[in-house]
Amino acid sequence: GEDVEQSLFLSVREGDSSVINCTYTDSSSTYLYWYKQEPGAGLQLLTYIFSNMDMKQDQRLTVLLNKKDKHLSLRIADTQTGDSAIYFCAEREAAGNKLTFGGGTRVLVKP
Amino acid sequence: GAVVSQHPSWVICKSGTSVKIECRSLDFQATTMFWYRQFPKQSLMLMATSNEGSKATYEQGVEKDKFLINHASLTLSTLTVTSAHPEDSSFYICSAPGTGIQPQHFGDGTRLSIL
Repeated sequence: GEDVEQSLFLSVREGDSSVINCTYTDSSSTYLYWYKQEPGAGLQLLTYIFSNMDMKQDQRLTVLLNKKDKHLSLRIADTQTGDSAIYFCAEREAAGNKLTFGGGTRVLVKP
Repeated sequence: GAVVSQHPSWVICKSGTSVKIECRSLDFQATTMFWYRQFPKQSLMLMATSNEGSKATYEQGVEKDKFLINHASLTLSTLTVTSAHPEDSSFYICSAPGTGIQPQHFGDGTRLSIL
């Protein structure tokens, strides 16, 4: 079945870069996503990458996709205290809107 | 843009009470909606998919009689936690399918605390 895995925790100093990693298993996924969840809130879509892309950059965010290894990463440049949150990667089923989420990575940004 | 409104945002009630959570799609119609449960420091687990005008589709291991789902209109789905107990305390999130690259639009979640 589908399984998406992430490391649990990342601590980073303000101004440094953060890299969050994710592995997935469904090779038929068309899109892979990164969501941000702040305490007590719902999910905010940060960025996505289409399965035939290797990289996508959007301002401070860079997504890398290694389809062969089924590995996805999110790099946040110049990390700010407001970036402290839980980050979820998610794979989308090949046909439809269902998502399978990773366990989430809690990012703590220290001043 | 498309917005999903979830209500209430936080509810505290006594054990044995039934609690209803509403999920509304604003300015768009949704024939299906998704209900998730999130335990502290854990991921979102899909509980069920509600279907307008028909029965919900529950994921394996989710008690249908415990978590009643109704999707009576194209803009409203409800989740009722019946005879809630402390172990039902959790964060519940609903979503509606999106279009294009946006797979789902999420509500802000409901924190349920059962005493």
